[in-house]
Amino acid sequence: DIQMTQSPSTLSASVGDRVTITCRASQNINRWLAWYQQKPGKAPKLLIYKASSLESGVPSRFSGSGSGTEFTLTISSLQPDDFATYYCQQSNSYSTFGQGTKVEIK
Amino acid sequence: EVQLVESGGGLVQPGGSLRLSCAASGFSVSDNYMSWVRQAPGKGLEWVSIIYNSGTTYYADSVTGRFTISRDNFKNTIYLQMNSLRAEDTAVYYCARVAGSGCYGAWGQGTLVTVSS
Repeated sequence: DIQMTQSPSTLSASVGDRVTITCRASQNINRWLAWYQQKPGKAPKLLIYKASSLESGVPSRFSGSGSGTEFTLTISSLQPDDFATYYCQQSNSYSTFGQGTKVEIK
Repeated sequence: EVQLVESGGGLVQPGGSLRLSCAASGFSVSDNYMSWVRQAPGKGLEWVSIIYNSGTTYYADSVTGRFTISRDNFKNTIYLQMNSLRAEDTAVYYCARVAGSGCYGAWGQGTLVTVSS
């Protein structure tokens, strides 16, 4: 099974900060990597697919990069609506999620 | 508009059974890959099962032999039959449409399953 490890688990940041979250796969997943945002009591929302493709309607301050085993999600200028938990997901072999990164107000 | 609506969750005793439903609109489940994903209280997301447009199914090791995914093309609905339920199956269960890249582009609102005596 492919394991996905996100870091950090929690991130404290301020509005306007540049934020980067890392996701590492236990084996090569090429670019079969997606990122989601989840707010309390809500379903996850797709942000990025195929490592760097921005989902329609998602603000351009979100970007993704990486391939193979190491990937990043970057929020270029954190907005109040961005305080949430973020998950990566691999789809190279079935599906596995990272454990999540909570972005909280500093 | 693509919409997924789950139902069927509730309180069940350990060892019991429950069937979840996910009614789709705006697309045909028979033409898509569909999955169930769960989230235990305060925890992360866990993939549970997938059904391909061909009808082929796969399961996470944690539910293999106990859960069965299926679909009704006429009702445009997918199901998750859950047997021999355990306390660790307590979670919000989401159904999701799988996009071509294997990501989940559409999600339902989720239905809570609580396994407790």
